[in-house]
Amino acid sequence: GQNIDQPTEMTATEGAIVQINCTYQTSGFNGLFWYQQHAGEAPTFLSYNVLDGLEEKGRFSSFLSRSKGYSYLLLKELQMKDSASYLCAGPGTGGFKTIFGAGTRLFVKA
Amino acid sequence: DVKVTQSSRYLVKRTGEKVFLECVQDMDHENMFWYRQDPGLGLRLIYFSYDVKMKEKGDIPEGYSVSREKKERFSLILESASTNQTSMYLCASSLGGIFTEAFFGQGTRLTVV
Repeated sequence: GQNIDQPTEMTATEGAIVQINCTYQTSGFNGLFWYQQHAGEAPTFLSYNVLDGLEEKGRFSSFLSRSKGYSYLLLKELQMKDSASYLCAGPGTGGFKTIFGAGTRLFVKA
Repeated sequence: DVKVTQSSRYLVKRTGEKVFLECVQDMDHENMFWYRQDPGLGLRLIYFSYDVKMKEKGDIPEGYSVSREKKERFSLILESASTNQTSMYLCASSLGGIFTEAFFGQGTRLTVV
């Protein structure tokens, strides 16, 4: 089966660091995506991890542990514009489709 | 830049109507997807297509059908709209293969009254 879990909401302060966790249980799972979605807009791609370890991309980093079924998205030097939903997603069975978690709404406060 | 365009941003239809949601992508992507997004439930896959005239059911296909007659166009059809199909519908496309990012359209907010 396939199940992707992430916290519903998080709040952090401008300039701080926040870590958004994602756990998954799925057979044949080979990697994990992170997307950002601002309110009223379409999701946009942030990162993809296929190998274990940390991938850094500017202020955003993503980590994957396939053996633990665990990933996180790390956002540094938070800005107000980072207030958005962050969606964890992975290839579904057969690999052609992408399965999404329910998303984590991040509120950045001044 | 990849562009995925959905035909309508907002749509209001009556119960029992047949509804067509159109999606066009301009980057020659093999894969196309239809999702619906509801509060607390996230994005749920309705149907996807990995080639022209090919389609596969996603997790919630009931009440929906799709058509992909041309590579760039993927249509979602609600045969007889019902109020529980009121939702945000998102179309996406990606390159062929399995480890490729999805590009989303701007979404269609459908209200069935």
